[in-house]
Amino acid sequence: SQTIHQWPATLVQPVGSPLSLECTVEGTSNPNLYWYRQAAGRGLQLLFYSVGIGQISSEVPQNLSASRPQDRQFILSSKKLLLSDSGFYLCAWRPFEGEFGAEAFFGQGTRLTVV
Amino acid sequence: RKEVEQDPGPFNVPEGATVAFNCTYSNSASQSFFWYRQDCRKEPKLLMSVYSSGNEDGRFTAQLNRASQYISLLIRDSKLSDSATYLCVVNLNTGGFKTIFGAGTRLFVKA
Repeated sequence: SQTIHQWPATLVQPVGSPLSLECTVEGTSNPNLYWYRQAAGRGLQLLFYSVGIGQISSEVPQNLSASRPQDRQFILSSKKLLLSDSGFYLCAWRPFEGEFGAEAFFGQGTRLTVV
Repeated sequence: RKEVEQDPGPFNVPEGATVAFNCTYSNSASQSFFWYRQDCRKEPKLLMSVYSSGNEDGRFTAQLNRASQYISLLIRDSKLSDSATYLCVVNLNTGGFKTIFGAGTRLFVKA
């Protein structure tokens, strides 16, 4: 069966510090991978998605970047965090585009507080 | 215009009530549709897929109207445990599937 791992679960970082959140998927090949952010009391905002190694699509210009160095690894990064980067970050995967009807599955999320 | 729009609510209903949520999407390239449920401070989880002919899962019924680009979720006989945020979700085929979430509709079911 497929599983998704996301860590850390919570993170408190000072303004101006770097960020690296990692997400890995097991039990599947060539998944579509996603990073979302959810501000307190708000909906999910799609940040990045990837259809393959090294292929990243950015949805919102901002202080963040993403990388996919391996098929089942997706990393969210920032060189210098802003207060506005605080939020609940969720990694998700869904099967390769050939199965367009399949739903997305989420990691447990990282609650980031920038202080 | 947002790609997926929902009434944010909150909907406050008594136990046993029937409640309906609506969702509209703007992109005609949308290919598949879902309702997710999100409990407070947790990740979203799939509630049900939405099929063109409409589908039912116990107390939950989902409908899709492609012509109007409209999706609905009906919850019958509401339970206290139904209290959550309900997210409308659309997959867009853009050469790689973008999965877009609505902002969610908050439901409170009270005794």
